[in-house]
Amino acid sequence: DIQMTQSPSVMSASVGDRVTITCRASQGISNYLAWFQQKPGKVPKRLIYAASSLQSGVPSRFSGSGSGTEFTLTISSLQPEDFATYFCLQHNSYPLTFGGGTKVEIK
Amino acid sequence: EVQLVETGGVLIQPGGSLRLSCAASGFTVSANFMTWVRQAPGKGLEWVSVIYGGDTDYAESVKGRFTISRDNSKNTVYLQMNSLRADDTAVYYCARGRSGSPLEYWGQGTLVTVSS
Repeated sequence: DIQMTQSPSVMSASVGDRVTITCRASQGISNYLAWFQQKPGKVPKRLIYAASSLQSGVPSRFSGSGSGTEFTLTISSLQPEDFATYFCLQHNSYPLTFGGGTKVEIK
Repeated sequence: EVQLVETGGVLIQPGGSLRLSCAASGFTVSANFMTWVRQAPGKGLEWVSVIYGGDTDYAESVKGRFTISRDNSKNTVYLQMNSLRADDTAVYYCARGRSGSPLEYWGQGTLVTVSS
């Protein structure tokens, strides 16, 4: 199985900050990487798929990059509604595997 | 409009069986990757199972105990869960994906609690 290591697990940031979250795959997954946002008590929402394709309706301050084993989710200017937990997902092969999550908290 | 509605979550004793349903509208389940994902309380997301065409696959943690199936006439996907254990306690989400585009749409989830 492919292991997804996400970092950091928790981060504190302020509104307007540039935020970067990293996901590392235990083996190459090409660009088969998606990012999800989840707020407390809510359903996960897909932000990015194919490593860098922005989901329709998602603000352009979210971007994804990477290929192979190293991937990044960037929020260019953090907004109040962005405080949430973010998960990466590899969909290169089954079983699909998620990263452990990054909780973005208010500094 | 794509909609997914999960039902069937309950409080059940260890060793019991349960069937979850995921009723879809706005698309055809048989033409998509239909997936179950679960989330234990306060924990991360765990992929459970997928059905696409005639193929199915399962997480190792549920293999041999859970069975995914589909009723095309009802446009509904099921997850039959047997020999339930305490660590199966979670919110179970149904999600739709396509090749190269995983888990685009999610249902609201249904809570399964396994406890005596």
